[in-house]
Amino acid sequence: AQSVTQLGSHVSVSEGALVLLRCNYSSSVPPYLFWYVQYPNQGLQLLLKYTSAATLVKGINGFEAEFKKSETSFHLTKPSAHMSDAAEYFCAVTIYSGNTPLVFGKGTRLSVIA
Amino acid sequence: DAGVIQSPRHEVTEMGQEVTLRCKPISGHDYLFWYRQTMMRGLELLIYFNNNVPIDDSGMPEDRFSAKMPNASFSTLKIQPSEPRDSAVYFCASSFYNGELFFGEGSRLTVL
Repeated sequence: AQSVTQLGSHVSVSEGALVLLRCNYSSSVPPYLFWYVQYPNQGLQLLLKYTSAATLVKGINGFEAEFKKSETSFHLTKPSAHMSDAAEYFCAVTIYSGNTPLVFGKGTRLSVIA
Repeated sequence: DAGVIQSPRHEVTEMGQEVTLRCKPISGHDYLFWYRQTMMRGLELLIYFNNNVPIDDSGMPEDRFSAKMPNASFSTLKIQPSEPRDSAVYFCASSFYNGELFFGEGSRLTVL
């Protein structure tokens, strides 16, 4: 079975600082990986996804993530945090074998300090 | 195309009452998922459907919970009777061929 572990339930950064949200996955077969963002009182929306093409994936709002098989990681980064980036971020994994739904991590709340 | 539409957005009810949450998936999507989100347990998958057929309901917490998908454009999640511990935000999501999930805005349920 697949699983993801998000390190740190809460991350706080200063505006303009680097954002790094950590995600490690477990999968017995090559995974497909996703990052979703949830703003207050809203549903989740896709930030970016890795589907076995380029290992460095660029998403919306300046976010990117790198798939590292050797480290079983898919960390999310952004060079410079904006106040509007404050939200909950979820990492998710699937193996796309048909009836296999996404498995979500517990989420990381990002706070951005002015 | 409109996104996933959920109703009601907010529901406040008393313990013991029946609650029905509704979802209209994105047209053409063949998978529909119901999730529950709480502070304590995070995002939990309750049940999902493929082509209107329930595939896995192992996440449904108790027999008080039931879900149906009578056609490709409508699904319901019912709780009867409701209890305070059912208070949560319930999300519906749909996808095409179990790909990227598109979430609705959620239904916030409060059971007093």
